[in-house]
Amino acid sequence: EPEVTQTPSHQVTQMGQEVILRCVPISNHLYFYWYRQILGQKVEFLVSFYNNEISEKSEIFDDQFSVERPDGSNFTLKIRSTKLEDSAMYFCASSVSAGGNQPQHFGDGTRLSIL
Amino acid sequence: AQKVTQAQTEISVVEKEDVTLDCVYETRDTTYYLFWYKQPPSGELVFLIRRNSFDEQNEISGRYSWNFQKSTSSFNFTITASQVVDSAVYFCALSEALDRDDKIIFGKGTRLHILP
Repeated sequence: EPEVTQTPSHQVTQMGQEVILRCVPISNHLYFYWYRQILGQKVEFLVSFYNNEISEKSEIFDDQFSVERPDGSNFTLKIRSTKLEDSAMYFCASSVSAGGNQPQHFGDGTRLSIL
Repeated sequence: AQKVTQAQTEISVVEKEDVTLDCVYETRDTTYYLFWYKQPPSGELVFLIRRNSFDEQNEISGRYSWNFQKSTSSFNFTITASQVVDSAVYFCALSEALDRDDKIIFGKGTRLHILP
C-alpha cells in the first residue's frame, strides 16, 4: 500500500538555524498538510496546501514557517530561524481530495530537536 | 467552533480487562467525520477508524469497537480483552465537511497503560 514518507526521522538543529523537513506524499494525492505535536501534547494543524499554494494556516504557522512543493513529488516545511519551542514531532499528511470523501494519510513523522 | 474533548488523561488496566476511552466532540457542521488514532511509543500515528456523521451504526473490528451517539456528541472506543501491546496514546479527532481543507482537529489524547 502506498505510504507518505518523511525524512529525516530525527533532526537535531542548533537554535537559530534553518531546518527543512521533507515529505513525499502519495503520488496521486492533491492535498497536503503539516501537523505538529509538542512532546506530550495533542497533534495540532499547521497548514494545508493545494494547487501550489497555501489553502489554510493556523496561528502557529507564523512568518518563520514556509511550505513548498519544489518538484512533483516532495512537499517541504521550512523553519527559517528555529527556536527552542519548535522542538516537536512534525507530521506530514496527504489526501486525494478534500470534502471528507477521502481520508488523510499520515507519515511516520520527523522528530525535531532544537538545542 | 470545533472541539474534541478526551476527559481521561491516563488510564491503567490489567491485561485482559475491557477498557473504554471516552470522546466528546463539538461542531457546527451537520456533516463531519470522526477518527481514532493510536500513537505507540515509537511515535507514529496509526489510523484506526473514520466514521461520517450520517453513519451511527456501531462498528466492531476484532477486539476494538466504537460507539457513536449523535444525541450525546460522543464517539467512544472500547478495547475488549486488552493486551500489553494496546499500551499507547489514543487520539480522537474531528474534521468538518464545511472546512474545505479537511483539517483534522485532535483531542488531547488518552494514555492507556495495559499492565501485565
